[in-house]
Amino acid sequence: DSGVTQTPKHLITATGQRVTLRCSPRSGDLSVYWYQQSLDQGLQFLIQYYNGEERAKGNILERFSAQQFPDLHSELNLSSLELGDSALYFCASSVQIGRGEGPLHFGNGTRLTVT
Amino acid sequence: DQQVKQNSPSLSVQEGRISILNCDYTNSMFDYFLWYKKYPAEGPTFLISISSIKDKNEDGRFTVFLNKSAKHLSLHIVPSQPGDSAVYFCAARGYVSYNTDKLIFGTGTRLQVFP
Repeated sequence: DSGVTQTPKHLITATGQRVTLRCSPRSGDLSVYWYQQSLDQGLQFLIQYYNGEERAKGNILERFSAQQFPDLHSELNLSSLELGDSALYFCASSVQIGRGEGPLHFGNGTRLTVT
Repeated sequence: DQQVKQNSPSLSVQEGRISILNCDYTNSMFDYFLWYKKYPAEGPTFLISISSIKDKNEDGRFTVFLNKSAKHLSLHIVPSQPGDSAVYFCAARGYVSYNTDKLIFGTGTRLQVFP
């Protein structure tokens, strides 16, 4: 158990809809990262938050947004969903102090299916 | 632009033998490298890492080698066990600024260890 909790585990929705994925980081971890894994693809970095602030962005679509709350949990919002958004969405957390070299610890992901 | 490449999608090894998984990267600014293991329906699990100032790091049956001049790293598993059967991801950290970074993943290599 990595200590990172993601909900829900599975989500099925229709095109055009909006969903929210939730992540609770490990206790004490200040950084939260979101990744997308499409079929047979590697993990694509979407966005990083550190202590409530957005710090790094990857290839995140404008239809997607995220935030990290004061209690450090994070939410990834996906809107105007398209079939191609079907993927596994992973959240990861780390202590990330300065230029720390600690690993990221991943949750078990949310599987999103857009029909 | 795939900055981290795992050119072998799959590898099959007999139990007890050595498994060698390879990874190449293109960005010379990467300074920290990690290997993750992923079982189906679970998130990636951190396995071993190496800083760019080292060329080898060992942890039990797992050893990671880094060749900076060739921009190449490899993961050796000796001896391989059936429980090692999983998808292995190579990842590289691109440090952006204080408390800001992102982990770039390869597409993974599926290792199968057979009796």
